[in-house]
Amino acid sequence: GENVEQHPSTLSVQEGDSAVIKCTYSDSASNYFPWYKQELGKRPQLIIDIRSNVGEKKDQRIAVTLNKTAKHFSLHITETQPEDSAVYFCAATPMNRDDKIIFGKGTRLHILP
Amino acid sequence: NAGVTQTPKFRVLKTGQSMTLLCAQDMNHEYMYWYRQDPGMGLRLIHYSVGEGTTAKGEVPDGYNVSRLKKQNFLLGLESAAPSQTSVYFCASSFLEFGAFFGQGTRLTVV
Repeated sequence: GENVEQHPSTLSVQEGDSAVIKCTYSDSASNYFPWYKQELGKRPQLIIDIRSNVGEKKDQRIAVTLNKTAKHFSLHITETQPEDSAVYFCAATPMNRDDKIIFGKGTRLHILP
Repeated sequence: NAGVTQTPKFRVLKTGQSMTLLCAQDMNHEYMYWYRQDPGMGLRLIHYSVGEGTTAKGEVPDGYNVSRLKKQNFLLGLESAAPSQTSVYFCASSFLEFGAFFGQGTRLTVV
């Protein structure tokens, strides 16, 4: 089955700097990679996703990159702001295989003033 | 449009008691999931369903049972609660595997 590793577990960056969170996956059949943001006491919410036929995707200050050969994908947040402070989860799943979504253990991102 | 709704939001159980958590979605999603969230452990999949009448085991299924008798509902049962099942439980639903939507969570404490 799929196994998703996420690093780092905690990340602190100065406001305005960039943050990068990295994930690796084990199942070469995985082809859909969503990222979720969970603020304290709230539910996880999808912020961006990428499919295996695309190497990079951007949405304003957030971008995801995917390296299928190396089986790793990353979340990039530029010009970080206080509201970016949260726990971020990566996930991987093979689409169209009636399979499950497996999450990484999460990264707690602190934006320092 | 309520999305994904979990009932109850909080519950305290005594060891050995049983209970059922209800998840309801109004988005006509085929896929539904139950996760538990513990500090430092991320979101671990308990059971999931890819359609009405189907269920499958996830990463941590022991001590839990599920049923999906109706497409919009996914029930999670604890037959004999243990302190190790103290956790926050999240239900989610998705169209195929795309972009799961989560419920607000159920905080369960077993004493």
